[in-house]
This record gives sequence, C-alpha cells and structure tokens, in this order.
Amino acid sequence: GNSVTQMEGPVTLSEEAFLTINCTYTATGYPSLFWYVQYPGEGLQLLLKATKADDKGSNKGFEATYRKETTSFHLEKGSVQVSDSAVYFCALISGGSNYKLTFGKGTLLTVNP
Amino acid sequence: GAGVSQSPSNKVTEKGKDVELRCDPISGHTALYWYRQSLGQGLEFLIYFQGNSAPDKSGLPSDRFSAERTGGSVSTLTIQRTQQEDSAVYLCASSVTGQGPYEQYFGPGTRLTVT
Repeated sequence: GNSVTQMEGPVTLSEEAFLTINCTYTATGYPSLFWYVQYPGEGLQLLLKATKADDKGSNKGFEATYRKETTSFHLEKGSVQVSDSAVYFCALISGGSNYKLTFGKGTLLTVNP
Repeated sequence: GAGVSQSPSNKVTEKGKDVELRCDPISGHTALYWYRQSLGQGLEFLIYFQGNSAPDKSGLPSDRFSAERTGGSVSTLTIQRTQQEDSAVYLCASSVTGQGPYEQYFGPGTRLTVT
C-alpha cells in the first residue's frame, strides 16, 4: 500500500534560517506528490505539488523536487519568516485510488523572530 | 469565491449519542471527500463521493459511520452511538473531479469531542 514518512517535529528555527523537512514515500505506480500546510486556526491548504519524476513544485519561496530514485519529496525554503509557522504535511495520490490522499504525520514548524 | 464550509465548527456530545456533520463543497465540484485528523492516527481518508455515489467507503472505521451526498452538493457524515475514540477533527474536501490528482480544497473542519 501507499505510505508517507516525514521527519518528526517540532522544528524550531530563527527567522531567515534555511528550512528542510524530509519526506519519503512508498507507493504503487507513479504517485503525484503534494505538500499541504495548516496555519494556526485554519484549514489545510495546498502549498505545492509535482506530478512526475524530476518535477519541481514551488510556491511562496518553498520548493520540493520529485526524486523517483530516492522516493523523496523534501520541502525546502531558503529563508523562513515568522509567518511560515504552521504544520506541514507531505502527501501522495497513487495507484488505482487516484483521488485518495495519503498523508504523512505532519511536521510542526515554529519560526522565532 | 466561497470555499468549502463545514458545520458545526465544534461539537461536544455524550458517549452513545448520534451526531451529524455537514459539508458544503465548492460549487461545481463533483468530487467530495471526508478525512479524519486525530492525534494518534494523523490524517486518514474516510470516504469519497463522485456526484452522489460513494465508490470508495474503505476508510470508514466501523458500521457506526455513514455518509450521504444529495444533489451532487451537500454531504452529511453521521456517527451513531459515538465513542470516545471518535473524538477528532473531521475534514471535508472537494475537487473538480475525482479522476486524477486534482487539488483538493479543504474546509476548516468540525472538531468532535465525545465525553
């Protein structure tokens, strides 16, 4: 079956620090990969996605590259802001159930001024 | 435009009671999903609707859980004889269609507490 493993949190950084949140996956077929973000008190929002190997998804300064050889989709940002404090979820859709999101456990990021 | 809305935002109920959770998807979205977010289990898929049909109910944890969708729009998730382990945030999402990795737009969720 499908599964997503992402780094345990919480992650605490100072403003302008470099961020990496690791995500690896197991999937049948060729998955599409997503990062969702949940800001405090808000619903889940799609941050970025990639649908095939070597694609790079990017949004709001965040990037992630679909690496088929390492089954990974690590989230990076060069300079985080306090407003990036949120919970980040890596997710995939794959196989015959090409509508069902499988999520990682989530990583809480806190950015201090 | 209007996003996915859910009601109530919070629900506290006694063990053994039935509850109904409502989801209004984005207008025109044919696919609708229910997920559950709990501390122990993370985010779990519950059920998927395409139109008014539910081709995948595989995530419903027991026969106490049921869901329906009417008019290709509003959906109701019903939990009968609630148990404490049902306490979680129930999230609804919708997408243009379920056939492919289209973006799913999530509602704010209903926080259910069973006492």
